[in-house]
Amino acid sequence: DAGVTQSPTHLIKTRGQQVTLRCSPKSGHDTVSWYQQALGQGPQFIFQYYEEEERQRGNFPDRFSGHQFPNYSSELNVNALLLGDSALYLCASSPFSADGRNYGYTFGSGTRLTVV
Amino acid sequence: AQSVTQLGSHVSVSEGALVLLRCNYSSSVPPYLFWYVQYPNQGLQLLLKYTSAATLVKGINGFEAEFKKSETSFHLTKPSAHMSDAAEYFCAVSLLSGTYKYIFGTGTRLKVLA
Repeated sequence: DAGVTQSPTHLIKTRGQQVTLRCSPKSGHDTVSWYQQALGQGPQFIFQYYEEEERQRGNFPDRFSGHQFPNYSSELNVNALLLGDSALYLCASSPFSADGRNYGYTFGSGTRLTVV
Repeated sequence: AQSVTQLGSHVSVSEGALVLLRCNYSSSVPPYLFWYVQYPNQGLQLLLKYTSAATLVKGINGFEAEFKKSETSFHLTKPSAHMSDAAEYFCAVSLLSGTYKYIFGTGTRLKVLA
């Protein structure tokens, strides 16, 4: 049973460029969340997608956008990259829960983005 | 505001010694609480979770944690440390229905000494 798959594993971009990160959720999961983990910090919630719509968003600027496809896979797009966007970007999937609680994510191994 | 505090960014223990990693949360409502482990260059792996059932929760790799509402704590313990336990550990809280995100602590790096 494949877990959460992210690509690419590493990426180097220049300030001002745009980047797209990809995620395939664990089989049976239909909700995808994205987290940013800066060096030495805990992960910070960017947003969550369910049924191809953004369900909740954290405190990130509009330069961060996403998309979810009918097969539940997801993309994270970041425009106008800043040096401060350098981080490990984690995708996490979970099954939908009717009561709205999150009973536990499955995380991918992440994409390490370096902005120079 | 909800928050998670992990006391001690670095903890060192000898192999075979007790592991104790501390986590305190701030929440006005009953939370769900989680411990995750992160090995170098990897994502986060769920160790255990508290979802309002038994207050003493057993997880993988011999870890356990106890939810203490009066102390707003969810400390992680393991009776005997193994070299393979060296990693970074994150405590996280998930709140009421309708708020799907986790709030993570800043992490505790565990070093196991031979």
